[in-house]
Amino acid sequence: DVKVTQSSRYLVKRTGEKVFLECVQDMDHENMFWYRQDPGLGLRLIYFSYDVKMKEKGDIPEGYSVSREKKERFSLILESASTNQTSMYLCASSPPDRNGEQYFGPGTRLTVT
Amino acid sequence: TQLLEQSPQFLSIQEGENLTVYCNSSSVFSSLQWYRQEPGEGPVLLVTVVTGGEVKKLKRLTFQFGDARKDSSLHITAAQPGDTGLYLCAGARQGGSEKLVFGKGTKLTVNP
Repeated sequence: DVKVTQSSRYLVKRTGEKVFLECVQDMDHENMFWYRQDPGLGLRLIYFSYDVKMKEKGDIPEGYSVSREKKERFSLILESASTNQTSMYLCASSPPDRNGEQYFGPGTRLTVT
Repeated sequence: TQLLEQSPQFLSIQEGENLTVYCNSSSVFSSLQWYRQEPGEGPVLLVTVVTGGEVKKLKRLTFQFGDARKDSSLHITAAQPGDTGLYLCAGARQGGSEKLVFGKGTKLTVNP
């Protein structure tokens, strides 16, 4: 089975802090994704990576950056956390040529106070 | 912008009832997936449909992809409390992109 793990299930940070969310997958997938999920808005893509050191902006990249130094690890960085970044953050991975099927981690519930 | 509209947004039914959830778009997708998400967890892939008109069954769940590959439905027979969750449809964009377009989901509650 594909396993995608995220570094924290729950996180509370203060406004202005730099926040790192880490995601690791164990299936050698090329593609990795970061989403945020908010009530009424669904899943929104923040960033997408299709290879090591390769990244592409999603629909809502403002206020976020990403890092992919190794194939199995994809990090999401909030440079200066703000209260409107309070959300559920979901990481996913997918292999190529599998009709876009994605495998999700359990999510990180981030609260910024 | 390709959008996927899911309906209904909320559904509360009694155990043993049947239900259908719809996922519609004006755009064509190369494939479509259904996921189920439980509270506090990430979505879990249920099925992928690829061919127009395709029907797939997963125990009491039946998934159908529209002939024109613009819409899909999920039918649950004799719903059980364990079916409770958020059901998400997601379409793979044409042209080989690995990114998915997600619907906003249908929140299903099955009462015992």
